[in-house]
Amino acid sequence: DADVTQTPRNRITKTGKRIMLECSQTKGHDRMYWYRQDPGLGLRLIYYSFDVKDINKGEISDGYSVSRQAQAKFSLSLESAIPNQTALYFCATSAFQVGQGNYNEQFFGPGTRLTVL
Amino acid sequence: DAKTTQPPSMDCAEGRAANLPCNHSTISGNEYVYWYRQIHSQGPQYIIHGLKNNETNEMASLIITEDRKSSTLILPHATLRDTAVYYCIVIGGNKLVFGAGTILRVKS
Repeated sequence: DADVTQTPRNRITKTGKRIMLECSQTKGHDRMYWYRQDPGLGLRLIYYSFDVKDINKGEISDGYSVSRQAQAKFSLSLESAIPNQTALYFCATSAFQVGQGNYNEQFFGPGTRLTVL
Repeated sequence: DAKTTQPPSMDCAEGRAANLPCNHSTISGNEYVYWYRQIHSQGPQYIIHGLKNNETNEMASLIITEDRKSSTLILPHATLRDTAVYYCIVIGGNKLVFGAGTILRVKS
């Protein structure tokens, strides 16, 4: 079974609809991230969480919200979807290791392809 | 975090070494160099990282120049499955910042 899973894998929705993307992980990592990727571009960070009580905005958080329900679960919501939120969304996790200094080996899920009509 | 410059694309013959360059002339002393790759819209995959010493693992080698202003990722025997976008990321904090990367095409 995959260590980082995302549901749904594909979703088509209409402008104005609320939609939630879910991410679950079995790696036991404290840190979780949400990214979006537009065609031909690199990933951009939306939100990240370093533990259950910690939520931080990333580079492009406007129009999105998140919920960290448990160590293993991190959900991304689009309250009112718009067409320019059509993109590929990735969830990722990483561990924090005391004494390792900077440690950014992130493990990515398979992605959710979202289309907003 | 320091910005990076990578060529937009490169070709490599199957079985040969693939050498992917990255310039990071504004890197500071506490910033690491990370390499990830993304195979056709899959989630990115960590390859290797380093601070100032050369590093090697089962996937690749990372050569960092003495002044740390550039680095090279080496895939010693490229296969068709290594065709992907390769991202060079310089980071001193906790957040990865992805650029456009280099599209590596391995050809038979």
